[in-house]
Amino acid sequence: GDSVTQMEGPVTLSEEAFLTINCTYTATGYPSLFWYVQYPGEGLQLLLKATKADDKGSNKGFEATYRKETTSFHLEKGSVQVSDSAVYFCALTPPFSGGYNKLIFGAGTRLAVHP
Amino acid sequence: DVKVTQSSRYLVKRTGEKVFLECVQDMDHENMFWYRQDPGLGLRLIYFSYDVKMKEKGDIPEGYSVSREKKERFSLILESASTNQTSMYLCASKFPESNSPLHFGNGTRLTVT
Repeated sequence: GDSVTQMEGPVTLSEEAFLTINCTYTATGYPSLFWYVQYPGEGLQLLLKATKADDKGSNKGFEATYRKETTSFHLEKGSVQVSDSAVYFCALTPPFSGGYNKLIFGAGTRLAVHP
Repeated sequence: DVKVTQSSRYLVKRTGEKVFLECVQDMDHENMFWYRQDPGLGLRLIYFSYDVKMKEKGDIPEGYSVSREKKERFSLILESASTNQTSMYLCASKFPESNSPLHFGNGTRLTVT
């Protein structure tokens, strides 16, 4: 079945370091791909999305490129800040899920950024 | 901005009580969802609804029911709360298109004692 696998955390970085959080997926066809972020004590917020191969989603300095050949959607940021400390979730919507279009989530990766 | 509002941030209930978790969205979304989030288990889908009065079981529906009498409101019901239902509950909504993102509420942290 459809699934999302993301790297286990926690990821601990110093401020201004480069961030990569790996995400790979299994799905038939061309799913829509999403990254969500959850700050402490809050619900999830959409960070970025990509809906077709080679699309690049970007927001708040974060980027991710939809790679069909490697079935990946890795999240990157060139220079992280303490305020980026949160849990990051990769997710997909299967392309043939009818009107339901449930999202399938990865397990989440906790990022801790230290000054 | 889309707003998904959950009625309570924190709830403490006793074992055996009937518990109602309420969720309201203001963007006319057709689809609404209830998830629970537990450490090490990620997000698990309990129930979802794709239209008024329609509901579908998610991955872990046991011990829960839902109600969707109006498009903007989706209620999660714990018929007889148990300690293993202590969790963070997240409501979300979206349009039905596959590229439409989910919008989440801030969550309700339920403790059953």
